[in-house]
Amino acid sequence: ETGVTQTPRHLVMGMTNKKSLKCEQHLGHNAMYWYKQSAKKPLELMFVYNFKEQTENNSVPSRFSPECPNSSHLFLHLHTLQPEDSALYLCASSPGREEYGYTFGSGTRLTVV
Amino acid sequence: GESVGLHLPTLSVQEGDNSIINCAYSNSASDYFIWYKQESGKGPQFIIDIRSNMDKRQGQRVTVLLNKTVKHLSLQIAATQPGDSAVYFCAENNNNDMRFGAGTRLTVKP
Repeated sequence: ETGVTQTPRHLVMGMTNKKSLKCEQHLGHNAMYWYKQSAKKPLELMFVYNFKEQTENNSVPSRFSPECPNSSHLFLHLHTLQPEDSALYLCASSPGREEYGYTFGSGTRLTVV
Repeated sequence: GESVGLHLPTLSVQEGDNSIINCAYSNSASDYFIWYKQESGKGPQFIIDIRSNMDKRQGQRVTVLLNKTVKHLSLQIAATQPGDSAVYFCAENNNNDMRFGAGTRLTVKP
């Protein structure tokens, strides 16, 4: 365990479903991130939260909606996804936005059918 | 646009040999670099980092070399073991913009 826990580990959802991914860290970090990892492609930054405030949204479609209720928890709400959204979604945290000691979770393997 | 990339998508080595994984970066303003290891079914795990004011940094069995002249980063793994089999990718940072490479799959043959 890295200290960053993601649930569920696997998720299969239809294009009309609504689901949520959860990320939890107890490292005392103040910044949390959502990344998308597709096969043979670099990690794509989706969202950044620093001290619970969203500081970056990298042109992510509105069918992905993040939520950060506190510094320890991060959610990614999903609705009306497309098959091309199938990927590994990784959560990471770091001490602060300007500190690069990223700790990653194991990810949620999402399949959209 | 600028990107981080890898010279080889796959690398196969014999157990006990040394491994060298390469990474090319194109942003000369990047000031911090990290190597990550990602095993199957797991998230990326930090291995070693280096700042742009250094050209070499050593860890336990791993060494990172930075050549700013040609914008090249390499990861050397000494006495490669089966547990080293994974995807390795580099990341570069410039002003809080962290970019990741696609990865090289290292396979260790017994």
